Amino acid sequence: DGGITQSPKYLFRKEGQNVTLSCEQNLNHDAMYWYRQDPGQGLRLIYYSQIVNDFQKGDIAEGYSVSREKKESFPLTVTSAQKNPTAFYLCASRDPGGSLDNEQFFGPGTRLTVL
Amino acid sequence: AQSVAQPEDQVNVAEGNPLTVKCTYSVSGNPYLFWYVQYPNRGLQFLLKYITGDNLVKGSYGFEAEFNKSQTSFHLKKPSALVSDSALYFCAVRDLTFNNAGNMLTFGGGTRLMVKP
Repeated sequence: DGGITQSPKYLFRKEGQNVTLSCEQNLNHDAMYWYRQDPGQGLRLIYYSQIVNDFQKGDIAEGYSVSREKKESFPLTVTSAQKNPTAFYLCASRDPGGSLDNEQFFGPGTRLTVL
Repeated sequence: AQSVAQPEDQVNVAEGNPLTVKCTYSVSGNPYLFWYVQYPNRGLQFLLKYITGDNLVKGSYGFEAEFNKSQTSFHLKKPSALVSDSALYFCAVRDLTFNNAGNMLTFGGGTRLMVKP
């Protein structure tokens, strides 16, 4: 999974609780991404960050928040405002390096279940 | 805007037979196209990409894909399938336009490949 770690692997949350998913990379990549995966729907972009201290909303940002205080870390908080948070969450990173053609490298994912 | 369609939820093939997983795309500019594979409860692994040049792209594990601009397709192929190829496959596109400043990928819904012995 290419130098990207996500923790925990499995996470259980009670309704009304906020939880934070960790994503760390040692690839020295500037860009990082959070996706949500639901069965039959592929991957949908939640947030992305092109550089430290900057991040942008993706297609489904409501109910989520992120921070990018360090290049290596891009934690995702799933807030109580997210109505249907049960899903598989994937973090990815990319090295722009002046080129547009670099693929994204994915972490192993975190499976979040709301009880 | 950019979009990707994978018309088949599942593809079944016998081991040793050729396989094709279909992907069509829509972009307003020129596309960068990618294929990823996902094994159960794992992240996505990069297989191959088309940027420019030869329309036939070769990737990891014996996979290849053919870019067809007129049909806006990027089908994934392998001459001889293995049981271990059974997994979920995703096609993705990046539209090279000014509006895609984040260089974001759009993923298809995924196709489950089942290779039977």
